[in-house]
Amino acid sequence: KNEVEQSPQNLTAQEGEFITINCSYSVGISALHWLQQHPGGGIVSLFMLSSGKKKHGRLIATINIQEKHSSLHITASHPRDSAVYICAVGGSNYKLTFGKGTLLTVNP
Amino acid sequence: KAGVTQTPRYLIKTRGQQVTLSCSPISGHRSVSWYQQTPGQGLQFLFEYFSETQRNKGNFPGRFSGRQFSNSRSEMNVSTLELGDSALYLCASSFSFGGYTEAFFGQGTRLTVV
Repeated sequence: KNEVEQSPQNLTAQEGEFITINCSYSVGISALHWLQQHPGGGIVSLFMLSSGKKKHGRLIATINIQEKHSSLHITASHPRDSAVYICAVGGSNYKLTFGKGTLLTVNP
Repeated sequence: KAGVTQTPRYLIKTRGQQVTLSCSPISGHRSVSWYQQTPGQGLQFLFEYFSETQRNKGNFPGRFSGRQFSNSRSEMNVSTLELGDSALYLCASSFSFGGYTEAFFGQGTRLTVV
């Protein structure tokens, strides 16, 4: 069993829809990261969470430490949001463990 | 503030050769981690350096090595390249505050082994 599980693996949405990507992990962590990777591109860190909720523009990330679960929400999705979204968890040792990623496609 | 800089961005090498990749972290960050991304395995941790010392290592063969200099810049080296080493190699620089760690990623070096 992978230490970090993401769902869904693939997600197709229409522009304007509300999107949720989930991440569950099985190890103790000090922080959880949500990352975005466009095709052929590098990785951008969207959020780093250790508790509660963070919001940046149309993106919202939440984490429940007790349930070992995090969600990434995108409100009013847009075709430029199309990318792979990756959940990564880290302990105090700076080593990140990654989920397999969720491929999001937003159609106009 | 400059981001994490990786060089080169693209590289083509032949089987059996060796390669050196470079990563310059964000100024003030002392931790640099390296990751390999392949279509089959996804992102996997290679190793992490802090103040010129390797603190953590992933499950990769000894052909993969790295080092960190006093200015925190890091290099990773892969010797005796194999076709399966073709991947995107990412580095991240990190800093800790209040017990939490935030990581910033470079654009990566895409290595193709032919």
